[in-house]
Formats: sequence, structure tokens, C-alpha cells
Amino acid sequence: AQSVAQPEDQVNVAEGNPLTVKCTYSVSGNPYLFWYVQYPNRGLQFLLKYITGDNLVKGSYGFEAEFNKSQTSFHLKKPSALVSDSALYFCAVKASGTYKYIFGTGTRLKVLA
Amino acid sequence: GAVVSQHPSWVICKSGTSVKIECRSLDFQATTMFWYRQFPKQSLMLMATSNEGSKATYEQGVEKDKFLINHASLTLSTLTVTSAHPEDSSFYICSARVSGINNEQFFGPGTRLTVL
Repeated sequence: AQSVAQPEDQVNVAEGNPLTVKCTYSVSGNPYLFWYVQYPNRGLQFLLKYITGDNLVKGSYGFEAEFNKSQTSFHLKKPSALVSDSALYFCAVKASGTYKYIFGTGTRLKVLA
Repeated sequence: GAVVSQHPSWVICKSGTSVKIECRSLDFQATTMFWYRQFPKQSLMLMATSNEGSKATYEQGVEKDKFLINHASLTLSTLTVTSAHPEDSSFYICSARVSGINNEQFFGPGTRLTVL
């Protein structure tokens, strides 16, 4: 079965410190991987994606993610967190040959001033 | 580019009434649109896949007669929650697939439905 796991419900980090939000996946074929951010009562905002190519993907607002095929992971990172980064983050995967996205359960990031 | 809008952004209705939510692709044609439902503090759950000019494909456990989906054009899909009840209160998000761009989905801003 295809799935996405975000093992942490919440991540707390001090402003200015690096942050990591974890995501692992299980999918057949080559995965398309995505990160989205959601602010309260808002839709999803696209951050970045991995389709193919360089394993390190750079996205919006200074975020990046590293695709690790052997560990089936796609962790989201940022070198220096901002209070405004506090939001709900979703990892999603689209299996090759399908249109459907499978979302993780979300990780709430709280950046403390 | 690839902007998706939803209308209304929020709606409050009485139990037993029907509510229609529109999803539009503003600057592209979407062969396929998707409807998701998000409960508070939970993930997005795919409800149905909507293809222009054909019947929607519903995910297991989603009532077809409860959640009517119409995809009459390449830029508009509608979700009608029929005979709404308080348990239908949720955040509904649509997305649209762009053909040829890795089949990516672009998401609307969501509609908050509250059924009293």
C-alpha cells in the first residue's frame, strides 16, 4: 500500500535555529514528492517538489528538501527558522502512473521567538 | 500561473439545506479536478476525482448521493453537499491537474463549511 508518514505531530524550534520536518514514503515506482504549507483557514501553498534530478531541492521561502531513495525519505529543512514559518506542513507523494496525491498527517511547526 | 479559486471561502448553513462549492482554474484548463476534505487538525482526505464531461470517481466510503460533483467545463467543477448535517462541517479543498506538467495538482484556497 502506498503511504506517507510524518512521524512528528509537532516540531518546536527557536527562531534562528535550523529546522527539519521529517517525511518518509512508501510507493511503487518512482515517486513525485511535494511539500506544502498551510496557514490557519487557508489552502495549501506549494513549497517545493522532487520529480527527478538533483536530490537536494530548493523551494520557496528558503526551504529545501533532500530526497533519499535508500531511506525513502524527503525531509524538509531550513537553515534559519523564522517565527512566520510557524504553520502546518504537509508532505505528499504522487506515485508514477497515477494522478492521486497521498498526504501525510501533517506536522505543526512552531518557531519560538 | 496555475491559479485555482474556490467560492465561497466560507459558508454557514442550516441542517438539511444543500450547499454548492465552486472550484475554478483561472488561467489554465483542467482535465481533472480533485476534491479533498480536511477535518480540524487532520490531513487532507481525497473524496473524489472529477473529470470533465464524465462522472466523478469517488473514494471508498464517500457517499455519491451526499456529495454531488459536476465538472461541466475544463475550468469549473462544483461540489454540492446535499442535505447537510453538522457532521459535514469541514474544510473542503479542491485541486486541478495540469496536463503535461508532470500531472501536478494546484490547490484552491479552501472552503470552510459550517452546518448548524
